[in-house]
This record gives sequence, structure tokens and C-alpha cells, in this order.
Amino acid sequence: AQSVTQLDSHVSVSEGTPVLLRCNYSSSYSPSLFWYVQHPNKGLQLLLKYTSAATLVKGINGFEAEFKKSETSFHLTKPSAHMSDAAEYFCVVKGDSWGKLQFGAGTQVVVTP
Amino acid sequence: NAGVTQTPKFQVLKTGQSMTLQCAQDMNHNSMYWYRQDPGMGLRLIYYSASEGTTDKGEVPNGYNVSRLNKREFSLRLESAAPSQTSVYFCASSEALPTDTQYFGPGTRLTVL
Repeated sequence: AQSVTQLDSHVSVSEGTPVLLRCNYSSSYSPSLFWYVQHPNKGLQLLLKYTSAATLVKGINGFEAEFKKSETSFHLTKPSAHMSDAAEYFCVVKGDSWGKLQFGAGTQVVVTP
Repeated sequence: NAGVTQTPKFQVLKTGQSMTLQCAQDMNHNSMYWYRQDPGMGLRLIYYSASEGTTDKGEVPNGYNVSRLNKREFSLRLESAAPSQTSVYFCASSEALPTDTQYFGPGTRLTVL
């Protein structure tokens, strides 16, 4: 069965410093992986997705993620955090059955001035 | 272009009451989804509809029913609400596949007393 584990439930960064959100996945075949972001009291928005093309995936708002099959990881990074990056981030893998996306528990990002 | 809209935004029910959550999308998407979000658990799929006229169970369907009224609208019904159904409910849509970008509504915050 497909699953994801987000290794940090809470990350605090200073504005202008790098952001790293860690995600490990489990999949019996080549996975489809996603990062979604949820700002306070809003719905989720797709940041980026990996579907077996380039291993380095660029997303919106300066985020990127690298697919590493040997490490079963799909970590999300941004070189310089902005106050508007404060949100909850979800790592997601396509599940076994049609229609199912398996969501991680989420990482809450706090950005301090 | 409104995207995905949901009504109501907030609702408080007593145990045993029924209600219907409404969802509509104006992007001509084929697929629609209902999720619930609980703290520390990410999002879990309740039901989905791959196309007009079809619906299927997701990960946590017990206690819920759905109707795909037409291509635009996908409603979620709680027949006899229970405190365990206290959650935030999100509707989403995608062009065809669940691995296509899913667009989320703003959510309905439901409390069952």
C-alpha cells in the first residue's frame, strides 16, 4: 500500500532563510507524488507534482522538490522563506485505488521576521 | 471564475440531525471529491465521483451519502450526525484523474454536539 510520512509536524524558520520540509514515501511501483499547501482557513492548493519525468520538480512561489528513489524521499525546499509561506504543507502520494490520494499528516510552517 | 464553492461555511448540529453539504464547480471538471480533515491526520477521502452519474466510496464512507446532481454539483449528506463527524469538510474537483491538479473549495467547518 502507498503511504507518506512527513518527518516534521512543525517547522519554524526566519524570513529570508531556507525552508526544508521532509517527506518519505512507500510505494510498490513508481509513484505519483505531490505537495499541497493550505493557508489558514483556506482550501488546499497544488504546489508541485512528480509523475516520473524530471526528478527535480519546480513549483509555484519558488518551491521545488527532488524525487530520490534510492532514499524514497520527496523533500520540499525553498531558498528564501517569505512571511506569506506560513501555512500547512501536505505531502501526498497516489494511492492503490482510483480516486485515492494518500495525504501525509501535514507540516505546519511558521515564519518569523 | 469562482472555482469550487461550498455551502455552508460553518454548521453546528445536534446528534441525530441530518444535513447536506453543497459543492459546485465551474471549471467543467469531470471528477469531484469529498474529503474530511482532522487534526494530525491530513485529508481522508470520503466519496468521489469520476464522472457525472457515478459515485464511489473512498477511505471513510460510513455515515455519509453523496449525490452527483449534474456535472457541476456534488453534495454530501449526513443522515444522522454523530460527534465523530465533527470535522472540516472539503470538496475538490479535477479535470479527469485524481492525479490531475485537484482544486479545493474553502471548506465547511462542522460541529456535532
